[in-house]
Amino acid sequence: AQKVTQAQTEISVVEKEDVTLDCVYETRDTTYYLFWYKQPPSGELVFLIRRNSFDEQNEISGRYSWNFQKSTSSFNFTITASQVVDSAVYFCALTGTGGFKTIFGAGTRLFVKA
Amino acid sequence: DAGVTQSPTHLIKTRGQQVTLRCSPISGHKSVSWYQQVLGQGPQFIFQYYEKEERGRGNFPDRFSARQFPNYSSELNVNALLLGDSALYLCASSLRTGRETQYFGPGTRLLVL
Repeated sequence: AQKVTQAQTEISVVEKEDVTLDCVYETRDTTYYLFWYKQPPSGELVFLIRRNSFDEQNEISGRYSWNFQKSTSSFNFTITASQVVDSAVYFCALTGTGGFKTIFGAGTRLFVKA
Repeated sequence: DAGVTQSPTHLIKTRGQQVTLRCSPISGHKSVSWYQQVLGQGPQFIFQYYEKEERGRGNFPDRFSARQFPNYSSELNVNALLLGDSALYLCASSLRTGRETQYFGPGTRLLVL
């Protein structure tokens, strides 16, 4: 069975602080795909990043960075110098080899205070 | 290019009724997936359709059904509505399967009274 765990339910930070959102996954597939999505108060899920299991290279995109470690089954997301506009719920998701079912974590609600 | 569109945006039904939700994928995308998101939880996978065939199904009762049309748009049907079916229903499209990035629509918010 596949599972995605986001242990942090809510995180509150002050603007300009760095914050890391944790994601731990379980799968028996050797090939799989990991995603991060952002859900602002408007409700629409916004795609942030896709990573396949063969690519463990970390990625940086502006203030966002992702740390993928297969050894610990983790795919963590860091926001550097957080801003109020980063306030949202962030979801980590996993798709297995077949590509026909995607499992989401419960999400982490991030509050960034001015 | 237009993103994923869903209709209606909001819907109020009573227990026992039936509802049909609609989704149009991004142009060129052949796969549509449906998710249910209950307040405070992550999206739960319901169905995935690719090339008009059901390719994946989540742990939902048979009251939930879907189909995909030749133009790749999709409908989700829920029969015999229960109070617990109240949720945000999200549609996502991708080029082929869930291995590619799924792009989500704004959702249909269903309230069952």
